[in-house]
Order: sequence, then structure tokens, then C-alpha cells
Amino acid sequence: AQRVTQPEKLLSVFKGAPVELKCNYSYSGSPELFWYVQYSRQRLQLLLRHISRESIKGFTADLNKGETSFHLKKPFAQEEDSAMYYCALAGSNYKLTFGKGTLLTVNP
Amino acid sequence: NAGVMQNPRHLVRRRGQEARLRCSPMKGHSHVYWYRQLPEEGLKFMVYLQKENIIDESGMPKERFSAEFPKEGPSILRIQQVVRGDSAAYFCASSPPGQAGSYTFGSGTRLTVV
Repeated sequence: AQRVTQPEKLLSVFKGAPVELKCNYSYSGSPELFWYVQYSRQRLQLLLRHISRESIKGFTADLNKGETSFHLKKPFAQEEDSAMYYCALAGSNYKLTFGKGTLLTVNP
Repeated sequence: NAGVMQNPRHLVRRRGQEARLRCSPMKGHSHVYWYRQLPEEGLKFMVYLQKENIIDESGMPKERFSAEFPKEGPSILRIQQVVRGDSAAYFCASSPPGQAGSYTFGSGTRLTVV
């Protein structure tokens, strides 16, 4: 079974502070992990995927198979980063399993 | 490319009526997924379809719910004899073949059962 856990429902930081959104997963095979983001009044959209090993909008995420984690990090948060963030896992069948999401608020 | 189009954006139905939700995937995308989001919950997988085929419907309730993706036209999620518990936001996503997990989402349909 696939399961994704985002332990923090809400996360509040000040502008310029580092931010880390936690994600843990459970999957018996070799997973693909993703972060999706939903800004206010916008559609859910893909932020980054672990196999790309890319940095998008200053965010990075490293897959740690030992800890079964895929935490999203940014060294200096900006106000425009305020959004709902969802961690997701794809197994072998293309189906994405989402966590419940973390609402990030970046205060000025 | 207009992206994934869902309609209607809002749908109100009385208990016992039928609800039909439509989703047109992005051009070139042959995989369609339906998700449901209840208040305080994340997105829950319902069904995964390709043209004229249901690939995985493990998240669909056994009764009253059905989905199709015909050769021509949009994908349809159909809920018969709606009940209050069906009130939720229903999201459709599409992806091209060979790109597991890289979904493009629609804006969703918010169903309210009164």
C-alpha cells in the first residue's frame, strides 16, 4: 500500500527564514516522489519531482530512502511562497497518492 | 492550450438526483485521473482512465459512481442518486503517457448536495 504523511497541517515562518515542509512515505517498491503546490485561487500544480533533482523557485527536495522522507526545503522564504503544499508518491501504476497537505504562511 | 478543463465549476443537486462532472484533458494527454477532496482531507484517488479503458478504479465507491473516457469527447464522472456525503470538490488531472506522476490539474467541480 502507498501512504504519504505530512505531519504539519500548518507552518508559519517569517520572510527570509529557512523553511522545511516534512513528508514521509510508505511504499514497498521504488517510489517516485513529487511536491505539488496550490497558490490562492489557483489550480494545483507540479512544483518538483525527485528524479529531476532540480531547484524550482528556490525549493529543493531530497529523497532519503533510509528515512523514507522527501522534505521540501528553501533557505530563505518569500511572502509569495505562501500556499498549500502537497507531497505525493507515484507507484508502478501511475497513480499518485497525496498527503493531506501543509499550509505554509510566510509573514512579512 | 487551455489546459485541463472541468465543468461545471459548481454543481448543486438535490438528494436522489444524478450528478455529471466533465473533464477535457490537455491536448496530447491520454491519461485521465479523478480525485475527490473532502473538507479537512487531502486528495483521494478515485479512478484512472485511458481512452475507452478503465485502468484502475480502486478508489471508486462500489455503488452509484461510474466513470468513462470515450473515444471522442470528455471524461465523465457520474454519480447516481446523490447523497449529502457526496458533497466535495472533484478534481480531474491528465498526463501524457510515460510520465508517471506529472499531472496537470483542472480547477475542480464543487458538488453540493442539498
